[in-house]
Amino acid sequence: EVQLVESGGGLVNPGGSLRLSCAASGFTFSNAFMSWVRQAPGKGLECLGHIKRKSDGGTTDYAAPVKGRFTISRDDSTNTVYLQLSRLKSEDTAVYYCTTQWEVNAFDIWGRGTMVTVSS
Amino acid sequence: QSALTQPASVSGSPGQSITISCTGTSSDIGGYNYVSWYQQHPRKAPRLIIYDVSNRPSGVSNRFSGSKSDNTASLTISGLQAEDEADYYCNSFRSGSTLWVFGGGTKVTVL
Repeated sequence: EVQLVESGGGLVNPGGSLRLSCAASGFTFSNAFMSWVRQAPGKGLECLGHIKRKSDGGTTDYAAPVKGRFTISRDDSTNTVYLQLSRLKSEDTAVYYCTTQWEVNAFDIWGRGTMVTVSS
Repeated sequence: QSALTQPASVSGSPGQSITISCTGTSSDIGGYNYVSWYQQHPRKAPRLIIYDVSNRPSGVSNRFSGSKSDNTASLTISGLQAEDEADYYCNSFRSGSTLWVFGGGTKVTVL
């Protein structure tokens, strides 16, 4: 079964850091283009960024609101993609989803998400 | 960056057809055929229902259809059913950083 499972969410103080993980299974992870998307409470979906497969350079790209604060990385040996969140703000409070373009040019596989709450 | 523009809400009676629009620019919807649509029920992850403007993934009802004209994409739900009540998001490839951008979402209500 093709699956993505996020973990690492929780409550963090403003200015703090957190690392989210997304474990993949059921497909060839090393070939996958992996993305992170978030959804603030009662709001819409927001693409945060992505990491390409190593054969395409393994490069990353980020949305303007998180560029310089968030970092995406991957470990193909453990089929895991990470999202390092730093200098967190209250507006970063959201459910964070891991997603991939597995068979088509769209986000066809999604995890269940992990909640991050930034509050003192 | 600005999101793609969708109506906040659309409603219809069971059995009717409704259409949700998604307006972008020549840098995204107008420039590429990488438009997708997602259905999201409360407290659930999004689910892909349309990709590449008008293609349906396996298992998605043929009551869902997609199209595009110039800078605007559309999702039509025909034979509206109670289970279709959900939020719907469009998404498109956009040249430049980030590469993919979502619409603000449309809440579909079945009357």
